[in-house]
Amino acid sequence: IAGITQAPTSQILAAGRRMTLRCTQDMRHNAMYWYRQDLGLGLRLIHYSNTAGTTGKGEVPDGYSVSRANTDDFPLTLASAVPSQTSVYFCASTAAGPNTGELFFGEGSRLTVL
Amino acid sequence: SQQGEEDPQALSIQEGENATMNCSYKTSINNLQWYRQNSGRGLVHLILIRSNEREKHSGRLRVTLDTSKKSSSLLITASRAADTASYFCATAGGGGSNYKLTFGKGTLLTVNP
Repeated sequence: IAGITQAPTSQILAAGRRMTLRCTQDMRHNAMYWYRQDLGLGLRLIHYSNTAGTTGKGEVPDGYSVSRANTDDFPLTLASAVPSQTSVYFCASTAAGPNTGELFFGEGSRLTVL
Repeated sequence: SQQGEEDPQALSIQEGENATMNCSYKTSINNLQWYRQNSGRGLVHLILIRSNEREKHSGRLRVTLDTSKKSSSLLITASRAADTASYFCATAGGGGSNYKLTFGKGTLLTVNP
């Protein structure tokens, strides 16, 4: 069982370019999340999806969009990348029932925007 | 804004010693969780404690929760060099259809052999 797979693992991108980070899980979890991790700031929630077909905004959603066409996939798109989006991005999922549930994380995608 | 704040930011101990990390949070929670992150890797869940629980054990881990003080502590006993990692607390607020975790900034634990 792979769990959560993120791609690419690392990418250098020119400012203004469009980029999609992919996330796939094989655990049939209903909820999925995208976090960014920055030194000194910890993990911050970008967007989330409680179930296929629905998405919601997290703490830092500006400049990012997501879609949840099916249970397994939750891509994160940067429409026009800016240097402040340089970060490590983590996708996570959970089979959370009401009020509980541990998150399973991917290994991260390191993005550098020049 | 961060919900949980870990203390200390960094901790260096010798192998065999105990390590204690603290987490404070601001609003009411449904549960509090602790995660571990090795350098360059994803986060791994360690333990979950519900808001109506006061203490929980898992192997060498002991977690306490004081909802009146809005604080939690993670104790790692008999530490090993392999315990070197960053440790994060995360709080779960909204339940059901709005379940989300908010993470603190983490404590970097270094266990010296």
